[in-house]
Amino acid sequence: AQKVTQAQTEISVVEKEDVTLDCVYETRDTTYYLFWYKQPPSGELVFLIRRNSFDEQNEISGRYSWNFQKSTSSFNFTITASQVVDSAVYFCALTSNNAGNMLTFGGGTRLMVKP
Amino acid sequence: SAVISQKPSRDICQRGTSLTIQCQVDSQVTMMFWYRQQPGQSLTLIATANQGSEATYESGFVIDKFPISRPNLTFSTLTVSNMSPEDSSIYLCSATTGLPDTQYFGPGTRLTVL
Repeated sequence: AQKVTQAQTEISVVEKEDVTLDCVYETRDTTYYLFWYKQPPSGELVFLIRRNSFDEQNEISGRYSWNFQKSTSSFNFTITASQVVDSAVYFCALTSNNAGNMLTFGGGTRLMVKP
Repeated sequence: SAVISQKPSRDICQRGTSLTIQCQVDSQVTMMFWYRQQPGQSLTLIATANQGSEATYESGFVIDKFPISRPNLTFSTLTVSNMSPEDSSIYLCSATTGLPDTQYFGPGTRLTVL
């Protein structure tokens, strides 16, 4: 069975602070895919990034960066210079071919960025 | 990436009634899924909507309560039957052309049952 753990249920920061959201996963599959989604108060789920298990390169997109470490089964997400618009619930998710493409979600981390 | 729309965006329903939620994708996709998100919780998969055959339900979800249709490669419906207040949730559909493609989500249907 696959499992995703987001130990931080809620984080509160002040605007312009950097913040890291943790994600730890478990899977027996050797080929798998990790995702981060953002859910703003409006409720839709917005795709942020996909990372394949065979590609351990870290990625940066503007103020967002992701650190994928297979050795620790972690896929952490950092927001640099946070803004109020970053306030949302962030979900880490996992799937694989053996899982039938079904996503296993973490519990989510609610990020509140205060002005 | 696929663009997904859902109707209705929100509804308030009476106990014992049924609501059908529609999910439309702007391109043909291989797989469509339905999720439930109870207040303050993560997403839970209800079922995989299979084109031309019966949906595949996850443990804890049954066809009588959540009948699903998928008549073609771009459209699916989820019905929440005989509703109770415990069914108050956000219902989201998602779609993908299969790995390694990403699973994209619709905007969700916010359901309140009184």
